[in-house]
Amino acid sequence: KAGVTQTPRYLIKTRGQQVTLSCSPISGHRSVSWYQQTPGQGLQFLFEYFSETQRNKGNFPGRFSGRQFSNSRSEMNVSTLELGDSALYLCASRIAIGQTNEKLFFGSGTQLSVL
Amino acid sequence: AQRVTQPEKLLSVFKGAPVELKCNYSYSGSPELFWYVQYSRQRLQLLLRHISRESIKGFTADLNKGETSFHLKKPFAQEEDSAMYYCALIYNTDKLIFGTGTRLQVFP
Repeated sequence: KAGVTQTPRYLIKTRGQQVTLSCSPISGHRSVSWYQQTPGQGLQFLFEYFSETQRNKGNFPGRFSGRQFSNSRSEMNVSTLELGDSALYLCASRIAIGQTNEKLFFGSGTQLSVL
Repeated sequence: AQRVTQPEKLLSVFKGAPVELKCNYSYSGSPELFWYVQYSRQRLQLLLRHISRESIKGFTADLNKGETSFHLKKPFAQEEDSAMYYCALIYNTDKLIFGTGTRLQVFP
């Protein structure tokens, strides 16, 4: 079974640009979550999608948005990039939400550098 | 508000020494707690969950509702335990939050 796949692996952008990251969950998983990982702030939750609907949202500005497609693949978009957006963006999938014992499977992440 | 606190950003021990990575949570309901680990150049992965009451790679964690803690312990640290450890809480059935993480360094 293929794991969670994130593309691209690395991205370099400049301030003011926008970026789209992609995540393909494990086959059969319908929930996709996005996290921002930085050395200073650790792992911060961005949002979670389930059945093409955003179900949970973290405390990030509106420049961060996402969507999920009918095949459960998800994209995350960041507009008007700032230097502070430089981070490793992790995607995680699980079979469904509402099952408290369900564990997350993480992708390798997309390393975004904003210059 | 729900919160997971890992007070130590870095914990350094020598091989063979006991290890305790602290995790405290704030949640008025019935918590579901997990420890995730990220080894160098590897994906973040589940280490253990409190409901399973399991021991993985010699690590254990006991939920203490009185102290609202879920500390991760290992009696004898190994060099291969060096990694980033995150404590996580599921609340309101399906919302998951992580602590800021603790980097464990085990020296030979």
